[in-house]
Amino acid sequence: ILNVEQSPQSLHVQEGDSTNFTCSFPSSNFYALHWYRWETAKSPEALFVMTLNGDEKKKGRISATLNTKEGYSYLYIKGSQPEDSATYLCAFIGEVQGAQKLVFGQGTRLTINP
Amino acid sequence: EPEVTQTPSHQVTQMGQEVILRCVPISNHLYFYWYRQILGQKVEFLVSFYNNEISEKSEIFDDQFSVERPDGSNFTLKIRSTKLEDSAMYFCASSEMQVSYEQYFGPGTRLTVT
Repeated sequence: ILNVEQSPQSLHVQEGDSTNFTCSFPSSNFYALHWYRWETAKSPEALFVMTLNGDEKKKGRISATLNTKEGYSYLYIKGSQPEDSATYLCAFIGEVQGAQKLVFGQGTRLTINP
Repeated sequence: EPEVTQTPSHQVTQMGQEVILRCVPISNHLYFYWYRQILGQKVEFLVSFYNNEISEKSEIFDDQFSVERPDGSNFTLKIRSTKLEDSAMYFCASSEMQVSYEQYFGPGTRLTVT
């Protein structure tokens, strides 16, 4: 069973503060890691696709790092804004018996307080 | 901007009935997926579809479920005889290439089985 855990489950941050949260995944048979932002009543929106150990990706105030050897990825948000309030999902893609399996974490629900 | 669409947005059905959930993926995408999220639980992968056949499926995707691309634009998920535990949000997604690539999600269909 592929276990993907995100922490914390929920987070309240003051507007303007920076924050980060974690996705932990199996360190073997890694293929790719996705980050999604999921606003209430909308579709999950892809933020990053990460494939290489040491990858760092950035989109505006949001960035992510990847450590496949130890099995974690961090998502950082700099200078949080109210529009950053959403659930952030990671999805681990690993190879199991020659097949690619995708497993989601449970998400981190981020609330930005104005 | 192209997007994945799903119909209906909400479907209520009686236990034992068949339901068909419909999705229109982004037109130049080649890979299609169904996911579900039971209330309060993680998003779960159901099936991926490429070149008119299932490429991967999860343990959840048993004989009750089937997928089809009947006409080159729609991608459907059929549940043959619904159970109470099939009540969930069902998301369709598509990607240009295989599962490790960025996936675009539809808004979801909320299925309620009574």
